[in-house]
Amino acid sequence: SQQGEEDPQALSIQEGENATMNCSYKTSINNLQWYRQNSGRGLVHLILIRSNEREKHSGRLRVTLDTSKKSSSLLITASRAADTASYFCATDGRLNRDDKIIFGKGTRLHILP
Amino acid sequence: EPEVTQTPSHQVTQMGQEVILRCVPISNHLYFYWYRQILGQKVEFLVSFYNNEISEKSEIFDDQFSVERPDGSNFTLKIRSTKLEDSAMYFCASSYRSYNSPLHFGNGTRLTVT
Repeated sequence: SQQGEEDPQALSIQEGENATMNCSYKTSINNLQWYRQNSGRGLVHLILIRSNEREKHSGRLRVTLDTSKKSSSLLITASRAADTASYFCATDGRLNRDDKIIFGKGTRLHILP
Repeated sequence: EPEVTQTPSHQVTQMGQEVILRCVPISNHLYFYWYRQILGQKVEFLVSFYNNEISEKSEIFDDQFSVERPDGSNFTLKIRSTKLEDSAMYFCASSYRSYNSPLHFGNGTRLTVT
């Protein structure tokens, strides 16, 4: 299975601190994506990093990808209360007709005021 | 910004009944997906759909499930005879391309089977 597994399962930090979440996966991927889910809502795409990229930035988000270790990290800098949510990594095997994106179990991030 | 819409937001049904969950994907998207999430747990892939046929399905997507795109806008998931364990949030998603393209999710339908 190419399923990603996030680590830690839950994370609580003070507002203003940086939050780092990790994701490991098992098989070759076309790209890896990070999504956020607020409670009771759908998933919102945050960032996509292709298998030939090592780092990508979007605002306060920084994503790294190490295909040799089959791992990725999501860093949220200067966290805010509104960042409280669950964060999922998703592995995209849709190349080679594997037409699905598989999500991990997620990291529940709680930003303390 | 265009968005994926799902109806109803909450569906309560009795075990053994049929339910149809409806989705309107983003209009220029070509690839459609259903996922489900049992409360507080992981988001599970059910099925992908392209060019009016299923392109991939998971082991969860057994004969009780079916999908259809009856017209140019709606994408539906039917569960023929619901079971208690079908209770979950069901999310529809769409994407423009088949790869290197993010999924756009609806806000889900909470299905409760009693």
